[in-house]
Amino acid sequence: DAKTTQPPSMDCAEGRAANLPCNHSTISGNEYVYWYRQIHSQGPQYIIHGLKNNETNEMASLIITEDRKSSTLILPHATLRDTAVYYCIVRSSSNTGKLIFGQGTTLQVKP
Amino acid sequence: DADVTQTPRNRITKTGKRIMLECSQTKGHDRMYWYRQDPGLGLRLIYYSFDVKDINKGEISDGYSVSRQAQAKFSLSLESAIPNQTALYFCATSVGSGRGEQFFGPGTRLTVL
Repeated sequence: DAKTTQPPSMDCAEGRAANLPCNHSTISGNEYVYWYRQIHSQGPQYIIHGLKNNETNEMASLIITEDRKSSTLILPHATLRDTAVYYCIVRSSSNTGKLIFGQGTTLQVKP
Repeated sequence: DADVTQTPRNRITKTGKRIMLECSQTKGHDRMYWYRQDPGLGLRLIYYSFDVKDINKGEISDGYSVSRQAQAKFSLSLESAIPNQTALYFCATSVGSGRGEQFFGPGTRLTVL
């Protein structure tokens, strides 16, 4: 599975969009991009995933560049409850299902 | 009620003791996983199971063993606990597809003195 690179920390003002970047320059054609978040030592929570096209659900949007070497998770209207560590994970569709977590980005949403 | 439960939620034990952490799920998923998390780090996979008869080692299986007693239950054992196994332990489940999202339990905080 491809390795990912994320900034260690980011701040965002409450009510504004939070844009969390992820680089995965060695991603291959059958690998998906997943995002999870972990709020204060709770179990990680799935947010969204995608292969090539941009994806949106009730929690967030995922923008994947055309060359698929990077992506951005967008929380459109961040709230204080979105303060968490966000993990970007690249995983093959034939993968055994195991997730390989890096250190993620700590997002601090400020009033 | 939570879909993935873990017991105990907190445990303090002594070096050399045998410890079992239990995970139960009501999601009907075939796949179950055990991860550990050390302070400031991401999760690392210990063991995973695709069904009752299937057990696989993850990145850091040394010092641990698992048992898949039923589709809904997956237990993690530390045969002889040591201090560097002090960590937060998470159980997770997923559907049979390799692309499926994983659902995590609330975690067990284990301290080995």
